[in-house]
Amino acid sequence: GAGVSQTPSNKVTEKGKYVELRCDPISGHTALYWYRQSLGQGPEFLIYFQGTGAADDSGLPNDRFFAVRPEGSVSTLKIQRTERGDSAVYLCASTDPSANYGYTFGSGTRLTVV
Amino acid sequence: AQSVTQLGSHVSVSEGALVLLRCNYSSSVPPYLFWYVQYPNQGLQLLLKYTSAATLVKGINGFEAEFKKSETSFHLTKPSAHMSDAAEYFCAAARSNTGKLIFGQGTTLQVKP
Repeated sequence: GAGVSQTPSNKVTEKGKYVELRCDPISGHTALYWYRQSLGQGPEFLIYFQGTGAADDSGLPNDRFFAVRPEGSVSTLKIQRTERGDSAVYLCASTDPSANYGYTFGSGTRLTVV
Repeated sequence: AQSVTQLGSHVSVSEGALVLLRCNYSSSVPPYLFWYVQYPNQGLQLLLKYTSAATLVKGINGFEAEFKKSETSFHLTKPSAHMSDAAEYFCAAARSNTGKLIFGQGTTLQVKP
């Protein structure tokens, strides 16, 4: 596609429920990143994929968070047993590593846990 | 650990006035540095980036930034503010091979008529 697509754009869920957030990167971009942006803060790194594998998952806050990218394109961020503190905007970005840090960000998914 | 600090969470300028948004990074090795803009309910848009070439970097919409190693700074400027410049601005740095970005906390720019 022309840009990075994230779905849904908004998600409201009850505390304790499971959610999945989807990121569809730019075609051909091998690197994919997830960030979390809390209200009034800058985005915080969660996880980075190079192809199908998670090259760096050091930003995942705990084991309730998990992400996959099985075919090296679309990625899904999964959050189990959601807590109110998980409420944030989840941003996805993709890049071609040869592009010298030319990231493209999606518009994000606003997750609200009630 | 690498960090990025943006001085001033809110900056207000009059239309036509100089815009100066401050960013300092903490690193023993000059990183790659970026400025992003975020409009309400939208994703991050790259304004400009420094990747160890020219220290004065020109970006989109009339913005530019100067890398100063001695001051570990990468301040963003624009000679004349437009109403459409009102947005949230983020400074970010990347250093490792993974290229993951470390963001500052952001500066909200208000432009008064």
